[in-house]
Amino acid sequence: QSVLTQPPSASGTPGQRVSISCSGSSSNIGSRTVNWYQHLPGTAPKLLIYNSNQRPSGVPDRFSGSKSGTSASLAISGLQSEDEADYYCAAWDDSLHGYVFGTGTKVAVL
Amino acid sequence: QMQLVESGGGVVQPGRSLRLSCAASGFTFSTFAMHWVRQAPGQGLEWVANIWQDGSNQYYADSVKGRFTISRDNFNNTLYLQMNSLRAEDTAVYYCARDPPRSGYAFEIWGQGTMVTVSS
Repeated sequence: QSVLTQPPSASGTPGQRVSISCSGSSSNIGSRTVNWYQHLPGTAPKLLIYNSNQRPSGVPDRFSGSKSGTSASLAISGLQSEDEADYYCAAWDDSLHGYVFGTGTKVAVL
Repeated sequence: QMQLVESGGGVVQPGRSLRLSCAASGFTFSTFAMHWVRQAPGQGLEWVANIWQDGSNQYYADSVKGRFTISRDNFNNTLYLQMNSLRAEDTAVYYCARDPPRSGYAFEIWGQGTMVTVSS
């Protein structure tokens, strides 16, 4: 059972905006930066957002991240079919002395 | 180009041991902390362990503490995961990942994964 909670699913039609929440606590999101990963079955996970709101080179600006208090969120604007994947938030947890992933959100493009 | 390649996965009986390797190339391995992450069938991503650049510190998930050992060989650019007393719940795809300094644990390069199946 992860200490970072995400909705199990989210969906939208092409071009829409989808937002995914990630709820944590003072020992993880509240005191650390948040990273977001995209994971397609059978492939290696891909870093989408680091330091809560920074995009690595090559990640489209349709992806954006934010953090407030003990929660974070990932937004995908201009949803595209290739965005269908699992998305995970993650952060270091100072109480557990370990890295924690969120429960994961499956995004469907209708 | 920069890449990580895992190996050593396979089918093993409960209670036995297995050692995974992660070969790094295309970058200065010794300047990066490294992690192991796994995904059990039908489940989400689970962090397993990490090791500092010089190997001086390691941290483990509670689920593997005391059974798994992470180590590295900076001369041969290889990361290891020694897995002892394996259980059925350790069945998963195991990934190694690179963690740049001061990145806030942003895993920006991952291997393709190696499958470990624990079954009698």
